[in-house]
Amino acid sequence: DVKVTQSSRYLVKRTGEKVFLECVQDMDHENMFWYRQDPGLGLRLIYFSYDVKMKEKGDIPEGYSVSREKKERFSLILESASTNQTSMYLCATRGYGYTFGSGTRLTVV
Amino acid sequence: QKEVEQNSGPLSVPEGAIASLNCTYSDRGSQSFFWYRQYSGKSPELIMFIYSNGDKEDGRFTAQLNKASQYVSLLIRDSQPSDSATYLCAVRLTGGGNKLTFGTGTQLKVEL
Repeated sequence: DVKVTQSSRYLVKRTGEKVFLECVQDMDHENMFWYRQDPGLGLRLIYFSYDVKMKEKGDIPEGYSVSREKKERFSLILESASTNQTSMYLCATRGYGYTFGSGTRLTVV
Repeated sequence: QKEVEQNSGPLSVPEGAIASLNCTYSDRGSQSFFWYRQYSGKSPELIMFIYSNGDKEDGRFTAQLNKASQYVSLLIRDSQPSDSATYLCAVRLTGGGNKLTFGTGTQLKVEL
């Protein structure tokens, strides 16, 4: 089975901090995605990557950036965390459909 | 109009009944359709996918696709309390590459 590992299950950060969310997959998949999930809004795509060093903006990229230096690792960066970035963050990799990581619940205070 | 729409529910069905979950999409050229289940506090997990018009069965689950009417549905037979979850419909839109666009989900409650 594909395994997608997100480094933290829960995070609490202060406004203005730089935040790194890490995602690692073990199946050599080229496609990786970052979503956030909020009640009533569903899953919204932030950024995605089709290959190493490659990144594309999703539907809500503002306030975020990403890094993909190695195929198995896709990092989401909040340059200066704000309270409206409090959310559940989900990483996914594409095989047959998507496989999601367990998610990181980020609270910005 | 949202690209992928689902009724938020909750949809309540008695144990043993058939649960019917529906999803409509706006892009007529969409080719691939996925159903995910998400338990509270957990990440979504893939139940099944469908590409062709008609029905696709997998155990107690049946996905139905009608491209002319632009809807896809999920039937759960012999519903169990463990099926209580939020069900997400996802569509690979035309020109979307490998991206999936998700509906906001339907909450299903299976009552004893």
